[in-house]
Amino acid sequence: AQKVTQAQTEISVVEKEDVTLDCVYETRDTTYYLFWYKQPPSGELVFLIRRNSFDEQNEISGRYSWNFQKSTSSFNFTITASQVVDSAVYFCALSEQDAGNMLTFGGGTRLMVKP
Amino acid sequence: DGGITQSPKYLFRKEGQNVTLSCEQNLNHDAMYWYRQDPGQGLRLIYYSQIVNDFQKGDIAEGYSVSREKKESFPLTVTSAQKNPTAFYLCASSEAGTGGYEQYFGPGTRLTVT
Repeated sequence: AQKVTQAQTEISVVEKEDVTLDCVYETRDTTYYLFWYKQPPSGELVFLIRRNSFDEQNEISGRYSWNFQKSTSSFNFTITASQVVDSAVYFCALSEQDAGNMLTFGGGTRLMVKP
Repeated sequence: DGGITQSPKYLFRKEGQNVTLSCEQNLNHDAMYWYRQDPGQGLRLIYYSQIVNDFQKGDIAEGYSVSREKKESFPLTVTSAQKNPTAFYLCASSEAGTGGYEQYFGPGTRLTVT
């Protein structure tokens, strides 16, 4: 069965520090999709990125970057030069090809960025 | 603007009462989902629907019921059989199929049952 683990339950950094959020997944499917979502204090989940299992190319979007490594079953998320507005809970999620669009979420990492 | 609406944002009920949470989307998505989130935890799937008039149980369906009479709407009823209904409920929608489509979420409803 699929599983997503976010070992860091809470991280606290000072503004402008870089921070990496870890995500490790388990799946028996060869085709799967990985996602990151941000949940600000308002509660609504905001989609950040989707990767499929055949695309291990790292991605950068502004201050955000993602490192996908199939060899270690990890899909880590780095925020460069963190800002107070980055404070939120971040969720990693997995969707297996055979399970349609069903998402399995990790437990989330609460990031606190202090001024 | 396209999106998902959930109402109300906060809901209070007495124990033993059924309560229905609203979810509407205008994204023209075929698939819709209901999740439950407890404090400090991830999201758990309650029910999902890939098409109108069809829905399936998720991981924690006991004590909940849904209907999907219209493509835009997927209301969730929390029945009195749900042992611990106080939680944050999130509705989502996506394209249907096996393409790993991203899900888009509503703002959520925080239900408190006393």
